[in-house]
Amino acid sequence: DAGVIQSPRHEVTEMGQEVTLRCKPISGHDYLFWYRQTMMRGLELLIYFNNNVPIDDSGMPEDRFSAKMPNASFSTLKIQPSEPRDSAVYFCASSSDVTGFAKNIQYFGAGTRLSVL
Amino acid sequence: KNEVEQSPQNLTAQEGEFITINCSYSVGISALHWLQQHPGGGIVSLFMLSSGKKKHGRLIATINIQEKHSSLHITASHPRDSAVYICAVGYYQLIWGAGTKLIIKP
Repeated sequence: DAGVIQSPRHEVTEMGQEVTLRCKPISGHDYLFWYRQTMMRGLELLIYFNNNVPIDDSGMPEDRFSAKMPNASFSTLKIQPSEPRDSAVYFCASSSDVTGFAKNIQYFGAGTRLSVL
Repeated sequence: KNEVEQSPQNLTAQEGEFITINCSYSVGISALHWLQQHPGGGIVSLFMLSSGKKKHGRLIATINIQEKHSSLHITASHPRDSAVYICAVGYYQLIWGAGTKLIIKP
């Protein structure tokens, strides 16, 4: 498997623009997580899905952020409108609840570095 | 007080040294994770444990549930081990430590 795939790797945009980050989880994984990492706050869980259903979105900072998972192989995190304080690295991770060595281990994508000017 | 505390925050050592990074937590947990974040930013899961000890190559992770403490050890450290090592507790909603920045000098 190619692992968790995120795109784009880098995104530079201007304040007020819409930003869409994409994630393809590992095939067969039924959990998907979106994280944000900043120097000030470290890694923060924004939202996670189980079987494409959002389970906990309490980490989503405000209404400007939204996440969807239309199917088991694709998720998006959208920021509209973007603000400079949204600049961070956004990670997607996936995991499986299937019993075994890899149970619940979260596998991370390479991240998307977002800069909002 | 943070729920997951790591120590030390920064660690610089010479190649070949035995490295220990500690993680203490104050919450009840179902699992504890050790992850590695490379200088380029990528995050890799190293271990997930709920009891005892796990070993993978030169890395060893131990956990003491009664003492709410875990350690990550690196034997025969190498410059390529330089990274930030992060402890996190939980199954799905992970509570993250602040990380330990490790630098191994040749």
